Amino acid sequence: NAGVTQTPKFRVLKTGQSMTLLCAQDMNHEYMYWYRQDPGMGLRLIHYSVGEGTTAKGEVPDGYNVSRLKKQNFLLGLESAAPSQTSVYFCASSPRRQADYMNTEAFFGQGTRLTVV
Amino acid sequence: GQNIDQPTEMTATEGAIVQINCTYQTSGFNGLFWYQQHAGEAPTFLSYNVLDGLEEKGRFSSFLSRSKGYSYLLLKELQMKDSASYLCAVRRFSDNYGQNFVFGPGTRLSVLP
Repeated sequence: NAGVTQTPKFRVLKTGQSMTLLCAQDMNHEYMYWYRQDPGMGLRLIHYSVGEGTTAKGEVPDGYNVSRLKKQNFLLGLESAAPSQTSVYFCASSPRRQADYMNTEAFFGQGTRLTVV
Repeated sequence: GQNIDQPTEMTATEGAIVQINCTYQTSGFNGLFWYQQHAGEAPTFLSYNVLDGLEEKGRFSSFLSRSKGYSYLLLKELQMKDSASYLCAVRRFSDNYGQNFVFGPGTRLSVLP
């Protein structure tokens, strides 16, 4: 029962390099999210997707791009990494709401610790 | 904009009761969720409230007042394993059945013997 799987778990990048973080979920969830977590700032939403082929900006989208070509996968790209993007990145997924009061809790991956030097 | 506030840190004794407060001002509100996060791990779901009132789940209870923009998480019979960060999150609905979660900064709880 994998749930939400993120790869890689750790990565060190040099300033200006690019990379893609992969998120895969096996729960058939419609919604997927990318967050970053920094000390004292909690989880901040970067981008999210409400279905295959759709993406939307969150609170801190600058410097990141995303794609949702398949329902189970949500990719986060950094085109030109900067030290300010050093963070722990969490992917999450949640089911589509069928009713307003439905529990649509988010399930999180184990995180990717990214350091940009 | 979105604004969610929680105390940064709290300390309590094993066996005691602790209440973690959360206040919020957000648009598109449709539910208040609580997550637990141990150091170095992913957040895990604890409870949620959509309507006003108290929801009880074993040693954990959560309360919501939508008119006051206020929620709390109550932990009873504290155990050492409850030492963790507790994250308050607002579920926001948008057009086309979209939704996302906006998180507060988290409250780091230390349980002492």
